[in-house]
Amino acid sequence: GQQLNQSPQSMFIQEGEDVSMNCTSSSIFNTWLWYKQDPGEGPVLLIALYKAGELTSNGRLTAQFGITRKDSFLNISASIPSDVGIYFCAAWTYAGNNRKLIWGLGTSLGVNP
Amino acid sequence: GAGVSQTPSNKVTEKGKYVELRCDPISGHTALYWYRQSLGQGPEFLIYFQGTGAADDSGLPNDRFFAVRPEGSVSTLKIQRTERGDSAVYLCASSSGLGNIQYFGAGTRLSVL
Repeated sequence: GQQLNQSPQSMFIQEGEDVSMNCTSSSIFNTWLWYKQDPGEGPVLLIALYKAGELTSNGRLTAQFGITRKDSFLNISASIPSDVGIYFCAAWTYAGNNRKLIWGLGTSLGVNP
Repeated sequence: GAGVSQTPSNKVTEKGKYVELRCDPISGHTALYWYRQSLGQGPEFLIYFQGTGAADDSGLPNDRFFAVRPEGSVSTLKIQRTERGDSAVYLCASSSGLGNIQYFGAGTRLSVL
């Protein structure tokens, strides 16, 4: 089935550093989404990408929809302790009239103050 | 309510028992989704409701799992004859329509002993 391969699996950085994570697939998608999940909470949408090549920012976060439509990356600049959490990429899949979200395995981010 | 509410937040049960997990979506949201999230994984789609009807239940793992949404608002996920492998966080999300932004609850952590 369709899979999203997310990397790195985890990273630990110093406060103030920039961080980059990405998501790839062998399948083509029309929408890429990036979510963040804090411990004990549900995922929260950070950025949604709808067009190949699109580059979108949300504060210190920037995400791009790959031109091949098979990948996306998320950058966080000048990290702060509250950036700690698990970041998931997700994409819509289509089966007949139904659409559902599939998810990567997540990137766990730690920030050392 | 202001957000998606899930109860209980934690549920411990014994193998073979029946459990019900409840989801109160954001008021006015017509679409409601159930996901299951195991440790170290992304959310896994279970079932999607549009209004009162289950539009896509292809993610339900077997016939021990069933969900209802009788009045098009609150939904209940029901698991019969629970097994240890059912232990996971069960997330509910709602949106104003299929394909629109999904807002997640904090989840119910189910532990089957």
